Amino acid sequence: DTAVSQTPKYLVTQMGNDKSIKCEQNLGHDTMYWYKQDSKKFLKIMFSYNNKELIINETVPNRFSPKSPDKAHLNLHINSLELGDSAVYFCASSQVEDTQYFGPGTRLTVL
Amino acid sequence: SQQGEEDPQALSIQEGENATMNCSYKTSINNLQWYRQNSGRGLVHLILIRSNEREKHSGRLRVTLDTSKKSSSLLITASRAADTASYFCAAMTTDSWGKLQFGAGTQVVVTP
Repeated sequence: DTAVSQTPKYLVTQMGNDKSIKCEQNLGHDTMYWYKQDSKKFLKIMFSYNNKELIINETVPNRFSPKSPDKAHLNLHINSLELGDSAVYFCASSQVEDTQYFGPGTRLTVL
Repeated sequence: SQQGEEDPQALSIQEGENATMNCSYKTSINNLQWYRQNSGRGLVHLILIRSNEREKHSGRLRVTLDTSKKSSSLLITASRAADTASYFCAAMTTDSWGKLQFGAGTQVVVTP
């Protein structure tokens, strides 16, 4: 069974569109994260939720809105997509301050 | 700001050789984690070392941590072609509530 799964794996869309990425973990962890990996492979955290509560909100445009319907799911909705949003987005989960387990990533390409 | 900074940026070795990469960070940490990323794939967790630990082993991997120098190293012994990947260190700082701050990574190429 996949521990942390993301859908879709690839997402190609036009500028200005709205899109969502879904993440689910079956590890029973309390905390989930979204990271963005740019074209130079640099990874930066965007958001973190602990038991459905937002605890980390980095300097991210408010076009990005995370939603956690329950502690096993953390979705990322992006409005009005821009060229600079093209990246690989990774979901991760952990118990707080412990090993983080990453999903396979969603490669977003904005045309 | 970026916490982990890795050195070297790229490393090319032959199978059977050892590979060492270093990571430096800036502030106090709870732990430091090392990850591997194969091209086009997700991150695979390798080792977590806590701030009160100095060395950890896992198979052919050895991680050291020197909190006085704010640095860590990852050693891969007897490397194999399958070890070809990018390796990242990630610092979990004491004020971060679980946030990992990643370095830029070391690209390791192991040739048969």
